[in-house]
Amino acid sequence: ETGVTQTPRHLVMGMTNKKSLKCEQHLGHNAMYWYKQSAKKPLELMFVYNFKEQTENNSVPSRFSPECPNSSHLFLHLHTLQPEDSALYLCASSQRRSLAPQETQYFGPGTRLLVL
Amino acid sequence: KQEVTQIPAALSVPEGENLVLNCSFTDSAIYNLQWFRQDPGKGLTSLLLIQSSQREQTSGRLNASLDKSSGRSTLYIAASQPGDSATYLCAVRYSSNTGKLIFGQGTTLQVKP
Repeated sequence: ETGVTQTPRHLVMGMTNKKSLKCEQHLGHNAMYWYKQSAKKPLELMFVYNFKEQTENNSVPSRFSPECPNSSHLFLHLHTLQPEDSALYLCASSQRRSLAPQETQYFGPGTRLLVL
Repeated sequence: KQEVTQIPAALSVPEGENLVLNCSFTDSAIYNLQWFRQDPGKGLTSLLLIQSSQREQTSGRLNASLDKSSGRSTLYIAASQPGDSATYLCAVRYSSNTGKLIFGQGTTLQVKP
């Protein structure tokens, strides 16, 4: 186990629903990340938080709204999503944003999202 | 544009074979390169990390090499086993200021008993 948990593991929602994804890390890290993994596409970085402050938004549509109340928890609030938003959403954490060259990120198992 | 490409997209081999997975990147000014493993329904597990000053890293039956000048990395798996079946992802980090990783699409490996 990586020490990064995500809930729920599976989610089906309609385009008018509002839902939230939760990520929690038990590693004492200070940086957290949201990634999107769509079928046939590489993982795409969505957001980065460092010490609870958002440091990167990779041109993500506003229907995705992240929240980082503390260094251990990261949320992704979903509102009026489109079917093309169906994907695996992965959370990751690291000691800090500016990692040393030998340091890595630790990933959670992901939330499989289906938008109908 | 910084891109990472992995070939082949899928690979099926009989148990016991040695195999090579390929990763290429367009910008050679990398900070480090990682190989991850992803099992169905699970997250990513880091296998090997090669810093820009290194040429290779080894862990058990796995060996990863890095050739920055040609923009290539290979992951060598010796004596493959059915438990090696998974998707293998290559990821490149370019900056020391951010942990941003640029991923390839992955190679899905099936090792048949």
